[in-house]
Amino acid sequence: KQEVTQIPAALSVPEGENLVLNCSFTDSAIYNLQWFRQDPGKGLTSLLLIQSSQREQTSGRLNASLDKSSGRSTLYIAASQPGDSATYLCAVHNAGNMLTFGGGTRLMVKP
Amino acid sequence: GAVVSQHPSWVICKSGTSVKIECRSLDFQATTMFWYRQFPKKSLMLMATSNEGSKATYEQGVEKDKFLINHASLTLSTLTVTSAHPEDSSFYICSAPTHTSYEQYFGPGTRLTVT
Repeated sequence: KQEVTQIPAALSVPEGENLVLNCSFTDSAIYNLQWFRQDPGKGLTSLLLIQSSQREQTSGRLNASLDKSSGRSTLYIAASQPGDSATYLCAVHNAGNMLTFGGGTRLMVKP
Repeated sequence: GAVVSQHPSWVICKSGTSVKIECRSLDFQATTMFWYRQFPKKSLMLMATSNEGSKATYEQGVEKDKFLINHASLTLSTLTVTSAHPEDSSFYICSAPTHTSYEQYFGPGTRLTVT
């Protein structure tokens, strides 16, 4: 059974810092990996999708990498801003388009 | 990106009543939709896979008679919480993949409070 772990569970940083959020998964036979953002009481917003054949994806200040063989993905946030404060979730796509989620990282960026 | 809506966004009901939550794909057809449950400060837990025109597939430990799922059309799936109890209070989120993308698109969620 696929298990997804995110470290750290919570993170508080001053504005402007570069951040790395970690995600690991136990079964490397994944189809894709997706990073989401969730604001309190809201649904999920897709940030980046990395297909299993890819090693990284970039969108603005966000960069996500994927190392299937080691079962790891990282989300890099450059020059963090208070508006980046949210919970970040990684999820792996398994067979049947099902997603297995990590526990999330709650990020607080202080002005 | 594709848009998924949910209705209602929040609902309060009394114990013993039933509540229906709708999940719609607004600009694409979805033969499959997924229903998740999320407890406060916790991650999403997959409850069931909703299949258009056939029975839903429930995850282990999810009562199918408690959480009725109907996927009557290619753009609508409904989740009915029957005989709701306070422990059913939670945030319910649906998602759907498009045929042209591997991405999953999520609805905004429904906050259910059972008093």
